Amino acid sequence: KQEVTQIPAALSVPEGENLVLNCSFTDSAIYNLQWFRQDPGKGLTSLLLIQSSQREQTSGRLNASLDKSSGRSTLYIAASQPGDSATYLCAVDSGYALNFGKGTSLLVTP
Amino acid sequence: DGGITQSPKYLFRKEGQNVTLSCEQNLNHDAMYWYRQDPGQGLRLIYYSQIVNDFQKGDIAEGYSVSREKKESFPLTVTSAQKNPTAFYLCASSPTGTEFYEQYFGPGTRLTVT
Repeated sequence: KQEVTQIPAALSVPEGENLVLNCSFTDSAIYNLQWFRQDPGKGLTSLLLIQSSQREQTSGRLNASLDKSSGRSTLYIAASQPGDSATYLCAVDSGYALNFGKGTSLLVTP
Repeated sequence: DGGITQSPKYLFRKEGQNVTLSCEQNLNHDAMYWYRQDPGQGLRLIYYSQIVNDFQKGDIAEGYSVSREKKESFPLTVTSAQKNPTAFYLCASSPTGTEFYEQYFGPGTRLTVT
């Protein structure tokens, strides 16, 4: 069974810092990997999707990389802002639905 | 406005009662999903459907039931057999399975059973 782990569980940084969130998965036979953002009490907002044949995707200040062979993905957030404060979830395709990590709770302080 | 709607946002029920959570999408997606989220936990799959009139159990289907009579709708019933139903429930959809397409999520329903 696919297991997804996210490190760290929580992170606090001052505004303006660049930061990296980590995601690892146990089965490298994936179709894609998706990063989501979740604000408290809200649904999930898709940030980036990386197909298994891709190495990275970029959207604005966000860059996600995928190393399928080692079972790792990173989400890089440049020049962090207080509005980036949220929980970030990593999910990998399991062939019929997504397997989620427990998330990284990010706090960006002014 | 295209998207996924879930209603109600908050739901309160007494133990022993069945309750149905609504999920509607106007994205013309074939596949729909129900996930459960508990505090500090990742999402866990309850049921999914890749086509009308067909659905499959996910990892934690016990105590839940679904129907898929219309492409746009995928209601979830939480039955009295579900031992710990208090949770945040999220519905999602995607164009065709999950191979190459993103999943889109609704705003969620928070169910409290006392």
